[in-house]
Amino acid sequence: EVQLVESGGGLVQPGGSLRLSCAASGFTFSSYWMSWVRQAPGKGLEWVANIKQDGSEKYYVDSVKGRFTISRDNAKNSLYLQMNSLRAEDTAVYYCARDPGGAGTLILDYWGQGTLVTVSS
Amino acid sequence: QSVLTQPPSASGTPGQRVTISCSGSSSNIGSNYVYWYQQLPGTAPKLLIYRNNQRPSGVPDRFSGSKSGTSASLAISGLRSEDEADYYCAAWDDSLSGGVFGGGTKLTVL
Repeated sequence: EVQLVESGGGLVQPGGSLRLSCAASGFTFSSYWMSWVRQAPGKGLEWVANIKQDGSEKYYVDSVKGRFTISRDNAKNSLYLQMNSLRAEDTAVYYCARDPGGAGTLILDYWGQGTLVTVSS
Repeated sequence: QSVLTQPPSASGTPGQRVTISCSGSSSNIGSNYVYWYQQLPGTAPKLLIYRNNQRPSGVPDRFSGSKSGTSASLAISGLRSEDEADYYCAAWDDSLSGGVFGGGTKLTVL
């Protein structure tokens, strides 16, 4: 059974940092693109970033470029999102999702349950 | 403001057919596949349609997708109460080099 379990969310002050993790199981993690998608409270979905199977390609939404870094450790079946210089507008539930497609796809066929990040003083 | 434009709400009665539109541009829908996601209250999104009109295993054939030019639509036939959810379209945007979602459409089954 495919499972994605996010962790690392919490309350952080503006300007602070947080590292999200996504533990994958039930599939060959190293064979899939992976994505982060977020959803602000009461708002719609926003794609944040994705990463190729070997980590050689990464893409980001403009609003997080230079502040967030997506990475993966295929040996640990884990996906990460390092978030620096956090702003109030980054407050959201962050989901990790699997993508069986290639570059330029959004076939997000499995999602985690999400982890809440709250940026507030 | 979302790159892809969806109506904020839609409604129908049980058994009816409803459609949800998604409008984009040449850099996203016009040149890439469209995807649709269903999000039931309090849950993670679920992939409903991929590559414009393909259904993942387990998605009822009551759900169908289509695309024409820079617009796409999701049709739900034989509407059921359990279809009440938020629906999002999505596509890759070549100009932004990233994914984009529509603002979402809240479907109410009357």
